[in-house]
Amino acid sequence: EVQLVESGGGLVKPGGSLRLSCAASGFSFSSYNMNWVRQAPGKGLEWVSSITSSSSYIYYADSVKGRFTISRDNAKNSLYLQMNSLRAEDTAIYYCAMWFQLLSYWGQGTLVTVSS
Amino acid sequence: QSALTQPASVSGSPGQSITISCTGTSSDVGGYNYVSWYQQYPGKAPKLMIYEVSNRPSGVSNRFSGSKSGNMASLTISGLQAEDEADYYCSSYTSSSTWVFGGGTKLTVL
Repeated sequence: EVQLVESGGGLVKPGGSLRLSCAASGFSFSSYNMNWVRQAPGKGLEWVSSITSSSSYIYYADSVKGRFTISRDNAKNSLYLQMNSLRAEDTAIYYCAMWFQLLSYWGQGTLVTVSS
Repeated sequence: QSALTQPASVSGSPGQSITISCTGTSSDVGGYNYVSWYQQYPGKAPKLMIYEVSNRPSGVSNRFSGSKSGNMASLTISGLQAEDEADYYCSSYTSSSTWVFGGGTKLTVL
């Protein structure tokens, strides 16, 4: 069974930092590009960042560029998102996700709340 | 990186058909056949319903179909059922090697 399990969310003050983790199992993690997608409360989905299978290429949404860093450890089947200089508008559920043709796996999400 | 444009809401009666549009540009929807559609229930993760414009993953009802013309993609649900009531999102690959989602459409089954 495929599982993506996010962790690391929580309450953080504006300007603070948080590191999200995503533990993958049940599929060949090292073979696929991975993504972070977020959803603010009551709002739509927003793509945040992608990383290729070997970490050769990394992409960010303009809204997080320069503040967030995506990384992965294929030996640990894990995906990460280092979030710095957090703002109130970064408050959202953060999903770890993989999609490739007919394959689509999403975690249950982890809630990040940025508030003083 | 502007979100793709979807209607905020659509509605239909059981048994009817509805279509949700997803409008982008030649740099995303119009430029690639990497348009997907997701269904999301409240408090749940999105579920892939259509990939690469018109393909259905196994297990997805054939009442769901997708198409594209120019910069606009569409999701059609035929034979509407109560269980189809959910939020629907389109997504597309872009010329910047990024991904973009639509703003989402709330489907109400009357």
